Amino acid sequence: RKEVEQDPGPFNVPEGATVAFNCTYSNSASQSFFWYRQDCRKEPKLLMSVYSSGNEDGRFTAQLNRASQYISLLIRDSKLSDSATYLCVVNGDSGYSTLTFGKGTMLLVSP
Amino acid sequence: DVKVTQSSRYLVKRTGEKVFLECVQDMDHENMFWYRQDPGLGLRLIYFSYDVKMKEKGDIPEGYSVSREKKERFSLILESASTNQTSMYLCASGNPDSSTDTQYFGPGTRLTVL
Repeated sequence: RKEVEQDPGPFNVPEGATVAFNCTYSNSASQSFFWYRQDCRKEPKLLMSVYSSGNEDGRFTAQLNRASQYISLLIRDSKLSDSATYLCVVNGDSGYSTLTFGKGTMLLVSP
Repeated sequence: DVKVTQSSRYLVKRTGEKVFLECVQDMDHENMFWYRQDPGLGLRLIYFSYDVKMKEKGDIPEGYSVSREKKERFSLILESASTNQTSMYLCASGNPDSSTDTQYFGPGTRLTVL
């Protein structure tokens, strides 16, 4: 069974802080990597894809280490609106573009 | 913008009832997926479909069936609902692409089986 492991948190940080989440995945054949964000009682929404070279989108930076099968997400200058659960996601092994989701890391940003 | 809609946001059914959950996407996506999400267990794949009339079992297909008669519509069926099927059900769609595999989710249906 291919797995994606994340620290469930919660991570409690003040506004303006920098916070980092990590996840590990077990399927060495995975080719696609993502971070999704899920607000309470809402559906998951794509935050960003993760590329081998690392990528940045505003305050968010994602890194991939294929050798260690490790993905990270860095959030700088945290906002109250960043409070959510962040899901680490990798593509599965079915050959049909299925995804395997981590259980998520909860972030709580306080004033 | 991709739009995935689900027929109900909240649903209450009784044990033994047949339950239909419907999902429609407007982006001409090839693939459609049904997940359930439970506290502490995360998102688990029930069934998916990669083409009209095609279906594949996911990780937890027992007690469920699916139907895809049209490309844009994917239905999840609980033949005889049980209390352990109380959950949040999420539909998703996407296109097969080895470089992206992104999935877009509907708003979810919170099903309670009494």
